[in-house]
Amino acid sequence: SQQGEEDPQALSIQEGENATMNCSYKTSINNLQWYRQNSGRGLVHLILIRSNEREKHSGRLRVTLDTSKKSSSLLITASRAADTASYFCATPPQGGSEKLVFGKGTKLTVNP
Amino acid sequence: NAGVTQTPKFQVLKTGQSMTLQCAQDMNHNSMYWYRQDPGMGLRLIYYSASEGTTDKGEVPNGYNVSRLNKREFSLRLESAAPSQTSVYFCATSGHLNQPQHFGDGTRLSIL
Repeated sequence: SQQGEEDPQALSIQEGENATMNCSYKTSINNLQWYRQNSGRGLVHLILIRSNEREKHSGRLRVTLDTSKKSSSLLITASRAADTASYFCATPPQGGSEKLVFGKGTKLTVNP
Repeated sequence: NAGVTQTPKFQVLKTGQSMTLQCAQDMNHNSMYWYRQDPGMGLRLIYYSASEGTTDKGEVPNGYNVSRLNKREFSLRLESAAPSQTSVYFCATSGHLNQPQHFGDGTRLSIL
């Protein structure tokens, strides 16, 4: 069953611009995680935001979480060609399950 | 420091053949997971092992079996491969409940 769903499915921007991706989920969560996947590679964990946090930063990444709207956003500032990848949100639903549920991802293309 | 190692990287099988995908980690993580990734479907959990000695079904377990051989190794077996099992398979690990997952680079499996 789909828990997280990213929006948009694809995004194309110019180098130096900001990229914003959104994630909506259905059930209460303990935390929400964002991952990046470069073409032909495995997923790489970027950032985890807990349910009691509203915003978190890591380098050029800014993640927000709105539990009342069951949504999160990932902002990449001053994007680079190397940021070209697919980005996934993942949520472990409340209840103690170790099973992360991934969305289908946003494919970001940063044009040089 | 390899992290999560999957073997083989590529494999072509004929319908009805059997095969075991191997995953080994050197991160001393308790939990291990097998996912499949198909175009437009995101990542779907096949089986997971919360800790050594335990395994549980995920979202799409039919046609697969797993073995948690020890803390380091978690294998996925296709007993009688079907074309619908053509996919990219990822192994992942995490330290504990709800912690970020670390992925291998995948096994690309084609079944003819």
